[in-house]
Amino acid sequence: DGGITQSPKYLFRKEGQNVTLSCEQNLNHDAMYWYRQDPGQGLRLIYYSQIVNDFQKGDIAEGYSVSREKKESFPLTVTSAQKNPTAFYLCASSRGLPSTEAFFGQGTRLTVV
Amino acid sequence: KQEVTQIPAALSVPEGENLVLNCSFTDSAIYNLQWFRQDPGKGLTSLLLIQSSQREQTSGRLNASLDKSSGRSTLYIAASQPGDSATYLCAVKSGAQKLVFGQGTRLTINP
Repeated sequence: DGGITQSPKYLFRKEGQNVTLSCEQNLNHDAMYWYRQDPGQGLRLIYYSQIVNDFQKGDIAEGYSVSREKKESFPLTVTSAQKNPTAFYLCASSRGLPSTEAFFGQGTRLTVV
Repeated sequence: KQEVTQIPAALSVPEGENLVLNCSFTDSAIYNLQWFRQDPGKGLTSLLLIQSSQREQTSGRLNASLDKSSGRSTLYIAASQPGDSATYLCAVKSGAQKLVFGQGTRLTINP
């Protein structure tokens, strides 16, 4: 089945650690996105990529980093510089054309312990 | 900067009622508007996509309308069922192809 796979579903991070969230899609989509969702809030854009080897900062990029070495993969690293990383992280993809539909993965819940 | 607002933040109705969820956006220069459903602890499921040139889209008991000039969209749910209980999010795609989301409407359908 085609879709977006995020792993792990739950992740625990100690203070000062970097952690990497995985996002893989087999939809042959050019564009991929990372969003953060906090309780009672809408989704906020962290980073997005419209093509391999290129990505742009979203509204809340500080403390995060990404790479886009392959079309199907867009991992997100939450660095120790991110002061409040506990949140629900969602990955999305679309065909990259302006009018196309976006699809989402099932999310990763990150908790700082 | 595009801003998206959803009203109400929460809605509780008895089963069988028809209901309307509202979404407004500040910049009418959009590519499209998308309605999503989110169950607790889950990702987003796409419900309907309306292109900027369209006025409405329908899927089963769902109908979404778009009035781009006034910056408004509505999601109409007919004959609501308990299984419709979820958070409904609208998002607009504009400028640099980024999706901007509202904060969602948490819908509860009471049996």
